[in-house]
Amino acid sequence: NAGVTQTPKFQVLKTGQSMTLQCAQDMNHNSMYWYRQDPGMGLRLIYYSASEGTTDKGEVPNGYNVSRLNKREFSLRLESAAPSQTSVYFCASSPGDRANEAFFGQGTRLTVV
Amino acid sequence: AQSVSQHNHHVILSEAASLELGCNYSYGGTVNLFWYVQYPGQHLQLLLKYFSGDPLVKGIKGFEAEFIKSKFSFNLRKPSVQWSDTAEYFCAVKGSWGKLQFGAGTQVVVTP
Repeated sequence: NAGVTQTPKFQVLKTGQSMTLQCAQDMNHNSMYWYRQDPGMGLRLIYYSASEGTTDKGEVPNGYNVSRLNKREFSLRLESAAPSQTSVYFCASSPGDRANEAFFGQGTRLTVV
Repeated sequence: AQSVSQHNHHVILSEAASLELGCNYSYGGTVNLFWYVQYPGQHLQLLLKYFSGDPLVKGIKGFEAEFIKSKFSFNLRKPSVQWSDTAEYFCAVKGSWGKLQFGAGTQVVVTP
């Protein structure tokens, strides 16, 4: 049982390049999240998906798109990377009911130069 | 809008000292509250959670937290810390729409 798996673990991009961060969970969870973590700012929600086929913006959605094609996978796409998007990105999933916690992946460290 | 505020950004204390980290939230409806811990180089792990019932919640590794509804607070405590408690601690709130929102975190350093 792998939990939440993120790929890649590390990535360096040039400004203007695009890439997709992948996330998959094997816990049959309904809800999935993408966060970015920056020093002194905690985790900020980028996008949220309550169930397959639905997505909703979080606190900092600009510059990102997401796709929830099936229950397992929730991808985050940067269409034109900017240095301000240098961060550690975490994917998480939860069963969906409010009482249950989220389970996190190991993170993707992204540097945009 | 929902928000989460953690009072201390950085705490340094000695082994065996007591720890208390403050967390306040702003949200008018029913909430679920969480404390997560992130050890250096690792992902977030759940310490404890509150969703109903006894407002004093006990979690793993000797941590506990008290939900005070009238103060919109959910403070984390540990009576006697160890060096291995050095980590970053995050308070989080989940409102009725299911979004999980985090505070800015508190970096705790425990010195031997």
